[in-house]
Amino acid sequence: NAGVTQTPKFRILKIGQSMTLQCAQDMNHNYMYWYRQDPGMGLKLIYYSVGAGITDKGEVPNGYNVSRSTTEDFPLRLELAAPSQTSVYFCASTSGGHSNQPQHFGDGTRLSIL
Amino acid sequence: GQNIDQPTEMTATEGAIVQINCTYQTSGFNGLFWYQQHAGEAPTFLSYNVLDGLEEKGRFSSFLSRSKGYSYLLLKELQMKDSASYLCAVRYDKIIFGKGTRLHILP
Repeated sequence: NAGVTQTPKFRILKIGQSMTLQCAQDMNHNYMYWYRQDPGMGLKLIYYSVGAGITDKGEVPNGYNVSRSTTEDFPLRLELAAPSQTSVYFCASTSGGHSNQPQHFGDGTRLSIL
Repeated sequence: GQNIDQPTEMTATEGAIVQINCTYQTSGFNGLFWYQQHAGEAPTFLSYNVLDGLEEKGRFSSFLSRSKGYSYLLLKELQMKDSASYLCAVRYDKIIFGKGTRLHILP
């Protein structure tokens, strides 16, 4: 069982570059989430999706974009990388909105903007 | 906002018991999760509460009071491997995490 797969695991970007963080899940989960975690801090919600074709902003959406064209994939796009976006990014999925099923997390993408 | 508050850090001794508290805003509440996160790793699920009361799972228990907007995670017979951050997360229309509590275990 692959679960939630994130790629790449590590990346260094220059200021102003763009990139896409990939996230895929093979559990047929409807709900998917992107979080960022700064050193010593908790998880902050960037964007989430309740199903294919539906996305919504979380707590810290500025500087990011997402799309959800399929149930399996939920990529996160950084258009103009800034040093403030240096963080660890976690993708997660769960089966339903009012379910007791926990979120399944990917291993994270460690991103540095220099 | 949907503030979720936890203590930043706690220290306990191996073999002892520790209680980690979490308070949250009650409006729109749909359930509460506790996760464990070791340094450099992804969070892993510990427990879920949606009704009032205590849920026990081995050495770990979690309590919820919906009217008070309060939960705690109780860890018994602490082991060195329990040194980690413990994250409280609340399901509203989306899932919001607290900042986490870093637990240090002393031998």
